[in-house]
Amino acid sequence: AQSVTQLDSHVSVSEGTPVLLRCNYSSSYSPSLFWYVQHPNKGLQLLLKYTSAATLVKGINGFEAEFKKSETSFHLTKPSAHMSDAAEYFCVVSFTASKLTFGTGTRLQVTL
Amino acid sequence: SAVISQKPSRDICQRGTSLTIQCQVDSQVTMMFWYRQQPGQSLTLIATANQGSEATYESGFVIDKFPISRPNLTFSTLTVSNMSPEDSSIYLCSAMTPFTDTQYFGPGTRLTVL
Repeated sequence: AQSVTQLDSHVSVSEGTPVLLRCNYSSSYSPSLFWYVQHPNKGLQLLLKYTSAATLVKGINGFEAEFKKSETSFHLTKPSAHMSDAAEYFCVVSFTASKLTFGTGTRLQVTL
Repeated sequence: SAVISQKPSRDICQRGTSLTIQCQVDSQVTMMFWYRQQPGQSLTLIATANQGSEATYESGFVIDKFPISRPNLTFSTLTVSNMSPEDSSIYLCSAMTPFTDTQYFGPGTRLTVL
């Protein structure tokens, strides 16, 4: 069965410093992987997705993620955090388009 | 991508009543889905809304409690029936565009049951 684990429930960074949100998955096959962001009282917005074309995936708002098959990881990074990045981030794995498995989420706090 | 709207954006309802949530997509999509996000938790798939036929429900969700309709390619409704406080959640609609494996989400409906 497929599963996804977000290793940190809460991450706090200072504005202007790098962001790292960790995600590991388990699967027997090569999945599609996604990162979504949910700002307070908002729906989910797609940040980026991996579908085997390239291991380093660039998304919106300066975020990127690297697929590492040997480590079964798909960590989300950003070189410099901005106050507007404060939100809940979900790592999602999918084998078929109709079945998304969500991680438990990581709340990113950005301080001055 | 697809732009998805939901109505209502939020509601406060009394125990024992029902609420119907509408989901509208701005373009034709292949699949539509309904999710529940309980307070402080991640998303759980309720069902896949099938055009012109009965929805496909996930384990733990039944049609009598969450009837779903999808009369055409761009519109779906979810009804939360005979509500109890445990139904207080955010309900989100999503849709998948043709030739992609990506789901786009609506803004959600925040439901509070008293």
